Amino acid sequence: AIQMTQSPSSLSASVGDRVTITCRASQGILNDLGWYQQKPGKAPKLLIYATSSLQDGVPSRFSGSGSGTDFTLTISRLQPEDFATYYCLQDYSYPRTFGQGTRVEMK
Amino acid sequence: EVQLVESGGGLVQPGGSLRLSCAASGFTFSGDWMVWVRQAPGKELEWVANINQDGSVKHYVDSVMGRFTISRDNAKNSLYLQMNSLRAEDTAFYYCVRDPTPVISATAYDAFDVWGQGTLVTVSS
Repeated sequence: AIQMTQSPSSLSASVGDRVTITCRASQGILNDLGWYQQKPGKAPKLLIYATSSLQDGVPSRFSGSGSGTDFTLTISRLQPEDFATYYCLQDYSYPRTFGQGTRVEMK
Repeated sequence: EVQLVESGGGLVQPGGSLRLSCAASGFTFSGDWMVWVRQAPGKELEWVANINQDGSVKHYVDSVMGRFTISRDNAKNSLYLQMNSLRAEDTAFYYCVRDPTPVISATAYDAFDVWGQGTLVTVSS
C-alpha cells in the first residue's frame, strides 16, 4: 500500500496567517490526491480533489498543488473556522490511503 | 437535500458479526461509487472499501479482506457493510461516503463529497 506522510503533525497559527501543509507519497501518484478537513465530532469535508480542483462551495483561500510524490495544501489567510485537522488521501491505487492528519491549532 | 444516514452500529464481542446500513437520499444513488471510511476514536481516517455503481466492482483494505463485504441495493437506495469475525482493532466510527468520481481530462478522480454522520462499532468482550 502507498504510504502518505503529512507534515507537520500539528501547527499553531493565528487568524490571517498563511498556512502550508505537506503530504508526501511513498511512490509517485501523479496528481491523484485530495484534501479533507475534519472538525471535532464531525464527519470530514472535501476541500480539494485531483491535487488542485476546489470542491464547490469551498473558499478560494484554500489551494492545492504538487505532483508525483510531493503535495501541498495552502490556506492563504487563516480564518477562525479553519482550525481543524486536515487529511490528504491518495486515489492512485488500491487500497486508498490517508495521511495521518495535520492539526491546525490557534496560537 | 443530499443525505447519507448510517445505522447498525453497536457493541459486539470479538469474533461476532454486524451489518451496517446506509440510507441515501436527495441524489441518484445508482449513479455514484460508494465508500466506507472508518476512524478509530482519536485516530486518523482509514479507507475501508468501495463499490461501483452496479455493484460489480469492489475493493477492500487488506485488513478487512475476507471478513467484510460491501454491497448495495440501488432499488432501496442503500449501501451495506457486512462485518464478520470482528476484532478489537475494528472498533471505530464507520462513515458512509458518496464518491461521484469527477472526470478531468478523461481521468476519474476520487472526491468524497457527501458523508454520513457515522455509526460507532465497538468490538469488546
